Amino acid sequence: GESVGLHLPTLSVQEGDNSIINCAYSNSASDYFIWYKQESGKGPQFIIDIRSNMDKRQGQRVTVLLNKTVKHLSLQIAATQPGDSAVYFCAENNEVTGANSKLTFGKGITLSVRP
Amino acid sequence: DSGVTQTPKHLITATGQRVTLRCSPRSGDLSVYWYQQSLDQGLQFLIQYYNGEERAKGNILERFSAQQFPDLHSELNLSSLELGDSALYFCASSLRPSNYGYTFGSGTRLTVV
Repeated sequence: GESVGLHLPTLSVQEGDNSIINCAYSNSASDYFIWYKQESGKGPQFIIDIRSNMDKRQGQRVTVLLNKTVKHLSLQIAATQPGDSAVYFCAENNEVTGANSKLTFGKGITLSVRP
Repeated sequence: DSGVTQTPKHLITATGQRVTLRCSPRSGDLSVYWYQQSLDQGLQFLIQYYNGEERAKGNILERFSAQQFPDLHSELNLSSLELGDSALYFCASSLRPSNYGYTFGSGTRLTVV
């Protein structure tokens, strides 16, 4: 069935280093992908998205890469800061038909930034 | 503040009881989504409403129901509660169901004892 999974449950990085968070998806029909960040006690917060007709998109300090061949999504965070410590989710949207829409989320990965 | 308001923030109730969670979407958003987040299941899609009508259903139990009112706020009703229903319940909204990200509220933490 459809699933979105993250390769690693936790990631620890040194402050100032770059972080790479990976995600695999199984539905080749998915055409829209999003990364969310969830801080403790808060709801998921949109970070960056990418559509299936692109393979790279950049934001402020973040880059999302999409490899449709191997159904892989990654989030790169440049110069990781303590404020980046959170749980990160990838999500895919593959049921946009008419007025329907459903985001399928991965289980999440915890990013821990060491000072 | 994301603009999506969920109340209450915390809820503690006993097994067998019924609770109602409320969500006010971001101003202008017509679509509301409910998600359940537990430690072992991640974010699970429950149900989606668009302009008052149910549009998509996920793994929502029959003991759970929801609706979206004319003013676009939504309520999620959980009945005959079990210990396993303890989780964070998130509401999200979007202008319309399409390839755009959702805006999430801060959630309601439900504890069933």
